[in-house]
Amino acid sequence: NAGVTQTPKFRVLKTGQSMTLLCAQDMNHEYMYWYRQDPGMGLRLIHYSVGEGTTAKGEVPDGYNVSRLKKQNFLLGLESAAPSQTSVYFCASSSQSGTSGRARYEQYFGPGTRLTVT
Amino acid sequence: DAKTTQPPSMDCAEGRAANLPCNHSTISGNEYVYWYRQIHSQGPQYIIHGLKNNETNEMASLIITEDRKSSTLILPHATLRDTAVYYCIVRVATNAGKSTFGDGTTLTVKP
Repeated sequence: NAGVTQTPKFRVLKTGQSMTLLCAQDMNHEYMYWYRQDPGMGLRLIHYSVGEGTTAKGEVPDGYNVSRLKKQNFLLGLESAAPSQTSVYFCASSSQSGTSGRARYEQYFGPGTRLTVT
Repeated sequence: DAKTTQPPSMDCAEGRAANLPCNHSTISGNEYVYWYRQIHSQGPQYIIHGLKNNETNEMASLIITEDRKSSTLILPHATLRDTAVYYCIVRVATNAGKSTFGDGTTLTVKP
């Protein structure tokens, strides 16, 4: 059980280049999320998904697109990278229900992808 | 979802209890209080959550005031490895779209 994994761990892009970040979870979770974290700040929600084939915008969605074609995968795309998108990107997943019949929505996070746009 | 207010930083002596406060005066009746922590630059880790009753698990205790307008996370015997940023989040459990973390409290445990 690997939990939440993210690919790649590090990436340097030039302004205008595109890339896709991959998040995978093996816990059969319904919900998945993409966050960004700038230095010294908390996490801000970019996009999220409540199930396969569905996505929704979070707090800071501009400049990003996402897809959830398979339940276990959530992709984050940058079509034309900008220096303002230099950040650490975290993926997370959560279940609709937890143990003892009580919904928990505990989020499990991946290790992060450190992206630099020059 | 309710906003939360946390002190930006706190210190604690190793072996002593660390008490981290969180104010959430506009919390609604169906909103839970969640605590996460982030060690170094790793992904955040879930600690505990509660609705209105006090909760305890192997990591920490969560004390929620009777009016639910504030809460305290208690690490009973802090160790150096508990040095981290601690986030208090208040939201409806089903509202995935409001899963945003604030700036949190940086707890430094000192020998």
